[in-house]
Amino acid sequence: DVKVTQSSRYLVKRTGEKVFLECVQDMDHENMFWYRQDPGLGLRLIYFSYDVKMKEKGDIPEGYSVSREKKERFSLILESASTNQTSMYLCASSSPGSSTYEQYFGPGTRLTVT
Amino acid sequence: AQSVTQLDSQVPVFEEAPVELRCNYSSSVSVYLFWYVQYPNQGLQLLLKYLSGSTLVESINGFEAEFNKSQTSFHLRKPSVHISDTAEYFCAVIPSSNTGKLIFGQGTTLQVKP
Repeated sequence: DVKVTQSSRYLVKRTGEKVFLECVQDMDHENMFWYRQDPGLGLRLIYFSYDVKMKEKGDIPEGYSVSREKKERFSLILESASTNQTSMYLCASSSPGSSTYEQYFGPGTRLTVT
Repeated sequence: AQSVTQLDSQVPVFEEAPVELRCNYSSSVSVYLFWYVQYPNQGLQLLLKYLSGSTLVESINGFEAEFNKSQTSFHLRKPSVHISDTAEYFCAVIPSSNTGKLIFGQGTTLQVKP
């Protein structure tokens, strides 16, 4: 089974802190994604990566950065956390060579910024 | 640009009743279509998908969806729901010319009552 893991299920941080959210996948997928999930807004893409050291902005990249030093790991960084970044963060991975185009999701990290 | 609209944010229904969750998309190109489900406190799981072929697709737990190209819809149906179907359901599309990025709808919460 494909497994996508995220470093924390719940996280509480203070305004202005630097926050790291880690995601690891074990299926050798090239593509990795970070989404933010908010009620009534669905999932919105923050950043994605098609390869190691490669990243592209999604729909809402402001206030976030990412790092992909190894194929299996994709990190989301909040340089200076703000209360409007309180949300559920979901990581996903997929293989561009797959015939199903399915994305596999981690369990999510619920981040609260106080 | 492509977009996905889920017309109902919440759908309450009694156990064993039929249900339909509506999804419409806008796209000038051909797309692949997906329904994902998110059970409480979990990540997203693929429920079913349409890539090509028969326009009626089914999941292993009794859901089905029909791709209607003329109406640009991909509604999800189940003839008899169970309490365990209580979850949030997301419709998503990938343009067939860009198989990396999913575009999600806002989500529909299905609340099955005893």
